[in-house]
Amino acid sequence: ILNVEQSPQSLHVQEGDSTNFTCSFPSSNFYALHWYRWETAKSPEALFVMTLNGDEKKKGRISATLNTKEGYSYLYIKGSQPEDSATYLCASPNSGGYQKVTFGIGTKLQVIP
Amino acid sequence: NAGVTQTPKFQVLKTGQSMTLQCAQDMNHNSMYWYRQDPGMGLRLIYYSASEGTTDKGEVPNGYNVSRLNKREFSLRLESAAPSQTSVYFCASGEAPTSSYEQYFGPGTRLTVT
Repeated sequence: ILNVEQSPQSLHVQEGDSTNFTCSFPSSNFYALHWYRWETAKSPEALFVMTLNGDEKKKGRISATLNTKEGYSYLYIKGSQPEDSATYLCASPNSGGYQKVTFGIGTKLQVIP
Repeated sequence: NAGVTQTPKFQVLKTGQSMTLQCAQDMNHNSMYWYRQDPGMGLRLIYYSASEGTTDKGEVPNGYNVSRLNKREFSLRLESAAPSQTSVYFCASGEAPTSSYEQYFGPGTRLTVT
């Protein structure tokens, strides 16, 4: 089973601050890296699917980068807003069977107004 | 377009009882998945179905069975519920591998086993 790790596990930031968090994964036999946003009492929704080393994706104030050689991805949020409060999950398909996607524990972000 | 739907939303069972969690998707996806989510742990894959008529074990299959009834529906059965199966269960679907295994999740079923 692939080991996908996220840090920090939780984070509190003031409204307007920018923040970032990390997802690390084994760099061998990499296939794809997913970021999901999971709001309380809802279900996870995909933010980004990244496959290429050096990929950078952006959606509004949220962006992500990918380094497959060293096995990490960063998620950045610029000018955090209270509606950004959520748990951010990263996930990666296992090389031994890509259907077996392994999820990290997530980073729980709380934006304080 | 409902996406992925799950029933029931909440369920309380006594130890030893059985039940089936239902999942359906209307996105014409080939792949479907069942996960459980427990405090302090990531989503863990119980079973998945890569296509209609096939099912495979995930990380934590013990105590569960699944049926891929047709392309739309994928059910999860607990034959004899145990307190360790108290969890939130999520069904998901996806168009693997063309979407690089991106998944669409249902709203979840909160199960308590007493």
